[in-house]
Amino acid sequence: DAGVIQSPRHEVTEMGQEVTLRCKPISGHDYLFWYRQTMMRGLELLIYFNNNVPIDDSGMPEDRFSAKMPNASFSTLKIQPSEPRDSAVYFCASSPRGEGYGYTFGSGTRLTVV
Amino acid sequence: SQQGEEDPQALSIQEGENATMNCSYKTSINNLQWYRQNSGRGLVHLILIRSNEREKHSGRLRVTLDTSKKSSSLLITASRAADTASYFCATERGSYIPTFGRGTSLIVHP
Repeated sequence: DAGVIQSPRHEVTEMGQEVTLRCKPISGHDYLFWYRQTMMRGLELLIYFNNNVPIDDSGMPEDRFSAKMPNASFSTLKIQPSEPRDSAVYFCASSPRGEGYGYTFGSGTRLTVV
Repeated sequence: SQQGEEDPQALSIQEGENATMNCSYKTSINNLQWYRQNSGRGLVHLILIRSNEREKHSGRLRVTLDTSKKSSSLLITASRAADTASYFCATERGSYIPTFGRGTSLIVHP
């Protein structure tokens, strides 16, 4: 298995533009998570899905952020409009069943909003 | 809020020495996990210890869990330069969703 695949690896965009981050989880993993990592706040859980259904989006910072999982092999995290404070590394992770199975992370997308 | 907090924030040692990192948490947990993150990469799962376990080994890694003190330690024996990375603990509670600490930055000098 190729692991969790994220794209793009780096994204530089201007303030106000729409940004879409993509994730392909490991086949057979029922859970998918989106995290954001910054020096100031560490790793923050934004949202997670179980069997393609969003379960908890309480970590999504505001309405500018949205996430979808149209099928078991694809998820997107969208920021519209983007702001400089959104600059961070965004990680996608998947897990086969949830508790006690560990999480496989992608390599992340480094987002810079100028 | 962060459930797990690693200590120390940074650790610098020589190759061959042992490295010990600690993690403290605030509420009861189902399990605790340790992850490694190399610079510019995602987190890699190292080891999971359940709340009814006290010690676990994996290669050069030794993890202990003390639920009475709400703390865990990760010991890397005979460290190598390749062990240079940030190490995170993550705790899982009833929601099954891991909460990560801020990590310990380990530098192993060759």
